[in-house]
Amino acid sequence: GAVVSQHPSRVICKSGTSVKIECRSLDFQATTMFWYRQFPKKSLMLMATSNEGSKATYEQGVEKDKFLINHASLTLSTLTVTSAHPEDSSFYICSARKRDSSYEQYFGPGTRLTVT
Amino acid sequence: AQSVTQLGSHVSVSEGALVLLRCNYSSSVPPYLFWYVQYPNQGLQLLLKYTTGATLVKGINGFEAEFKKSETSFHLTKPSAHMSDAAEYFCAVSSNQAGTALIFGKGTTLSLSS
Repeated sequence: GAVVSQHPSRVICKSGTSVKIECRSLDFQATTMFWYRQFPKKSLMLMATSNEGSKATYEQGVEKDKFLINHASLTLSTLTVTSAHPEDSSFYICSARKRDSSYEQYFGPGTRLTVT
Repeated sequence: AQSVTQLGSHVSVSEGALVLLRCNYSSSVPPYLFWYVQYPNQGLQLLLKYTTGATLVKGINGFEAEFKKSETSFHLTKPSAHMSDAAEYFCAVSSNQAGTALIFGKGTTLSLSS
């Protein structure tokens, strides 16, 4: 199989605080992980591409200082939303690509972030 | 550059009727095409994919899609809709180039009536 988990599944935080979301590939090594953001009733917007051991590549318009991405190992990537504001409330989804695959991506179940 | 257009943000069919969800793509390289389904507050589940070879691909839950290069389309169909098919459907494009992310269409909400 190819299972990707995310933790937490839901998080509520106060405005101004930081939140860390974890994305793990449970049964495979992921050389590349992707972070997406999904607004209600909207499509998935690619935020950044994360390669193990190197800096993430952010899409245009995504603030890299606000959305910190770390891919420290072949099975774990983290997204930290720093100084969160209500407009950061969204559904965040990660996906992971296997080491030996050029295109197949496996998606996590998503994390619902609510900033109050 | 790659992009995906899903025609129709909402599609409503009766149970037992044909489902047709439209997807057109744009790609400067040979595309890899995907259909995903998403249920409320859940992640994405892969329905089917086209990479190379046979242009008619069959997926899970009775869905299938046909890659038509001349029409740059990858429409999703199911002969007979079931109530459990009500969900959000996303078409996505990628390529065989290393590091290419999936580019998603805006999604189509499929609703069923009995």
